[in-house]
Amino acid sequence: DADVTQTPRNRITKTGKRIMLECSQTKGHDRMYWYRQDPGLGLRLIYYSFDVKDINKGEISDGYSVSRQAQAKFSLSLESAIPNQTALYFCATSVGQGAVGYTFGSGTRLTVV
Amino acid sequence: AQRVTQPEKLLSVFKGAPVELKCNYSYSGSPELFWYVQYSRQRLQLLLRHISRESIKGFTADLNKGETSFHLKKPFAQEEDSAMYYCALSGLKGDKLIFGTGTRLQVFP
Repeated sequence: DADVTQTPRNRITKTGKRIMLECSQTKGHDRMYWYRQDPGLGLRLIYYSFDVKDINKGEISDGYSVSRQAQAKFSLSLESAIPNQTALYFCATSVGQGAVGYTFGSGTRLTVV
Repeated sequence: AQRVTQPEKLLSVFKGAPVELKCNYSYSGSPELFWYVQYSRQRLQLLLRHISRESIKGFTADLNKGETSFHLKKPFAQEEDSAMYYCALSGLKGDKLIFGTGTRLQVFP
């Protein structure tokens, strides 16, 4: 089945380290998103991309960067991880028309110690 | 400003009781509203969207533009409904999804 795959599933890293979270999809969707989920705060948008040449900041982009290497790949980087970036990170994809057809990955649980 | 508000962090009911998960929104224009569900250790799944006006797993939600609300309802809760529920909106042009903070529904036997 077409899907959205996130790697790694879990990661523990030290403060100050650079870390990359990867997302790949076989849905054929143009749009890809990175969200972080925190208890009591819900899902907040970090970055999104409507196609390979289009990258946009979300509401909480500080401390993060992204790369859209291909239609199917959208990576999220933490250049210098800090403890308050400990969260569950979700990648999602959607079709071009409307927000219908959002598909989420299984998430990456990141812990920064 | 675009915002989705879910006032309840936790809602606990007994099996068979009615459930209403509240969602209010603010948006300058005509948004599209959604409910997403996240069962324990699973990814988010679309539960329903207001445009389709369908009922999924016994849940319904009606968009009230006057009250800017999109409350999720089910007449008789089941234990398997226990999950995290997120209300979300997007613009009709297919802009990004904006989520509420979520409500955890616990259904006791």
